[in-house]
Amino acid sequence: SQTIHQWPATLVQPVGSPLSLECTVEGTSNPNLYWYRQAAGRGLQLLFYSVGIGQISSEVPQNLSASRPQDRQFILSSKKLLLSDSGFYLCAWSESWGVDQPQHFGDGTRLSIL
Amino acid sequence: GEDVEQSLFLSVREGDSSVINCTYTDSSSTYLYWYKQEPGAGLQLLTYIFSNMDMKQDQRLTVLLNKKDKHLSLRIADTQTGDSAIYFCAERVNDYKLSFGAGTTVTVRA
Repeated sequence: SQTIHQWPATLVQPVGSPLSLECTVEGTSNPNLYWYRQAAGRGLQLLFYSVGIGQISSEVPQNLSASRPQDRQFILSSKKLLLSDSGFYLCAWSESWGVDQPQHFGDGTRLSIL
Repeated sequence: GEDVEQSLFLSVREGDSSVINCTYTDSSSTYLYWYKQEPGAGLQLLTYIFSNMDMKQDQRLTVLLNKKDKHLSLRIADTQTGDSAIYFCAERVNDYKLSFGAGTTVTVRA
């Protein structure tokens, strides 16, 4: 069966520091991968998605970037964090072979910026 | 456009049925989803329905879709304390993007 792992689970970072959040998927090949942000009391906002290694699509302009160095690895980064980057970050995956395939989420990373 | 709306809170007595409602705006949406989020956790897929269906039942869960009114509901029968969570409705906007509602916080009281 497929599993998705995100780490770290929680992170406290000062303003201006860099960021690297990692997500890996097991049990499938060539998945579509996604990064979402959930602000307090809000729904989920899609930040990036990837359909293959090195292929990144950005949904919203922001201070963050994403990379996919391996088939089942998705990384969310920032060179300099802002206070507004605080939130709950969720990675998700879906099978790539059908538009009916639902997205499955990791347990998330709680990011607090001080 | 893409805009999914849900009521923010629902309180239900243990053993009763819960009904969570959702409206969406994109009439071309092909799939609609319900996810459950427990405190501090990620989203768990509960069920989803294709837009050419009116109803889907899965154990205690029943999804009803009124495509004319763009209204989706999730009914949980015999609600238990473990059902306390935030429930998100989402519509598929394109091949990759889901548009989520803000979530309905369901509180189950004894």
